[in-house]
Amino acid sequence: QVQLLQSGPDLVRPGSSVKISCKASGYAFTNYWLGWIKQRPGHGLEWIGDIYPGSGNTYYNEKFKGKATLTADKSSGTAFMQLSGLTSEDSAVYFCARMSLYGMDYWGQGTSVTVSS
Amino acid sequence: DIVMTQSQKFMSTSVGDRVSITCKASQNVRSAVVWYQQKPGQSPKALIYLASNRHTGVPDRFTGSGSGTDFTLTISNVQSEDLADYFCLQHWNYPYTFGGGTKLEMK
Repeated sequence: QVQLLQSGPDLVRPGSSVKISCKASGYAFTNYWLGWIKQRPGHGLEWIGDIYPGSGNTYYNEKFKGKATLTADKSSGTAFMQLSGLTSEDSAVYFCARMSLYGMDYWGQGTSVTVSS
Repeated sequence: DIVMTQSQKFMSTSVGDRVSITCKASQNVRSAVVWYQQKPGQSPKALIYLASNRHTGVPDRFTGSGSGTDFTLTISNVQSEDLADYFCLQHWNYPYTFGGGTKLEMK
């Protein structure tokens, strides 16, 4: 069955960076776009961008350009999102989700990032 | 960007009721809409894809309808386990955008 397993919670300092991982299993990792989504209480869900692991092609929400960098390692079936220049506004739960013709159909369990000094 | 508007932030219901949750797109998104259910501490679960198709394993009391700019998720015979947040997503154009969510509560 399709599974997306994300890395654990992170507590990071303002101004630093964090890298979240999303390990895929149960499907052909290189054949599907994989997206990243941010969720904060009171701010709903925001699509950050997605990556096609087969080619490394990416699309970013303009709002997150310069903030998020998406990569993927085909050998391990793992996608990564690095967030840089962290502020309190980046404290959120981040999800990865497989993207098919039918939208984001399978989601990871979420990774909580807390930015605090 | 396409704005997806769920005008009802909260809806109250009772077990056995029928409830309709709406989502309006600021532009034509054809049928590229997904409905999700999210319970506290969990990731969103896809219920309906392409506006009106039920995902495998989703109970048939969940029905999606609409195309273009107006979409509806209807839950018939509401069960207690249906109390959750519901979101719509458009994936017709980048950037993909979500509705603000509707919280289904018990009366």
